[in-house]
Amino acid sequence: RKEVEQDPGPFNVPEGATVAFNCTYSNSASQSFFWYRQDCRKEPKLLMSVYSSGNEDGRFTAQLNRASQYISLLIRDSKLSDSATYLCVVKPNSGGSNYKLTFGKGTLLTVNP
Amino acid sequence: DTGVSQDPRHKITKRGQNVTFRCDPISEHNRLYWYRQTLGQGPEFLTYFQNEAQLEKSRLLSDRFSAERPKGSFSTLEIQRTEQGDSAMYLCASSRLKRVATNEKLFFGSGTQLSVL
Repeated sequence: RKEVEQDPGPFNVPEGATVAFNCTYSNSASQSFFWYRQDCRKEPKLLMSVYSSGNEDGRFTAQLNRASQYISLLIRDSKLSDSATYLCVVKPNSGGSNYKLTFGKGTLLTVNP
Repeated sequence: DTGVSQDPRHKITKRGQNVTFRCDPISEHNRLYWYRQTLGQGPEFLTYFQNEAQLEKSRLLSDRFSAERPKGSFSTLEIQRTEQGDSAMYLCASSRLKRVATNEKLFFGSGTQLSVL
């Protein structure tokens, strides 16, 4: 089983739609969780951290379920500029590898006019 | 520009040649990482430096790969005797070690796209 698995996608949605991405992780020692965004041929950029209580940043909402080892990202009122690949990322906070990010394969989102 | 910079942006080489990439991290960042990304995949961890010490190397890094960070500032990644399977985007990232690990954020460079013919 891969350490981080994401919806394979791709997702094609119209502007204004709500879209949700799911991610599961296998390492229960994972303690920090993130969503990164990557535009075509560009570097990944941090979109948001994911906290245990869930968190929201504008149109973006992230949720974490530690018991199920599941992370989600919800985008409301999607914009053309949201078109990108969304990468689910986990990291242990302690132990010898507390610096190492493990990425999922990413889910490609295309928002259409 | 005070972000992570990588050079070159693109490199085309013939199989069997050696290539070297450079990464200049954000100046106050003591942690530096190399990742590799192939088409349709997420970035995969290659190696990690804390200051000038290389603390981990992935099993993905064969003996043909070597990375250095001699003065704890910039880093180089060298691939010897390149193979077609080495074709990928090589990403460098840096961060500053924090007491609370959840507050630590990685910043990536734009990457070096390697094509081995």
